[in-house]
Amino acid sequence: NAGVTQTPKFRILKIGQSMTLQCTQDMNHNYMYWYRQDPGMGLKLIYYSVGAGITDKGEVPNGYNVSRSTTEDFPLRLELAAPSQTSVYFCASSSPDNLYGYTFGSGTRLTVV
Amino acid sequence: AQKITQTQPGMFVQEKEAVTLDCTYDTSDPSYGLFWYKQPSSGEMIFLIYQGSYDQQNATEGRYSLNFQKARKSANLVISASQLGDSAMYFCAMREAYNNDMRFGAGTRLTVKP
Repeated sequence: NAGVTQTPKFRILKIGQSMTLQCTQDMNHNYMYWYRQDPGMGLKLIYYSVGAGITDKGEVPNGYNVSRSTTEDFPLRLELAAPSQTSVYFCASSSPDNLYGYTFGSGTRLTVV
Repeated sequence: AQKITQTQPGMFVQEKEAVTLDCTYDTSDPSYGLFWYKQPSSGEMIFLIYQGSYDQQNATEGRYSLNFQKARKSANLVISASQLGDSAMYFCAMREAYNNDMRFGAGTRLTVKP
């Protein structure tokens, strides 16, 4: 059981470049999330989705876009990368039941130079 | 707006002793869930324990227990019999029942000394 899979694990971008962080889950979870974690800080929600075709902004959505065409996949798009987007990005999924918390991917460490 | 506060940036504990990591929260929603996650140096987020706002008893999972004091809005994590492998960052988080935004505290770095 793979859980939540994120690719790539590491990436260096130049300022102004674009990229897509991939996230896929095989648990048939309805809910999926993208978080960023800046050094020494907790996680902040970028975007989330409650099901295929439905997405919504979280606390820090500026500079990012998402789509949810299938239950399994929830890619995060960075347009015009900026140094402020240097962070570790976590994708997570959950069922509507709060009980078991979120299942997190292993993270993508992104550096924008 | 929901808010999570972890006031201990770093904690030290001797191996085999117990340690308490503090967490307070703020919400006006009567229905919510509280979570603790462990983040070792490898970076992954590991779910440890969950407490629902209507749960009458404190949650326990092996060596982890959650000291839930609802009136004080605190949800402290107690780790008993600390092990060297417990050295990690620990995050408290809360999710309101009808809110899809799980909010995290800033974390506490726990170091277990041999």
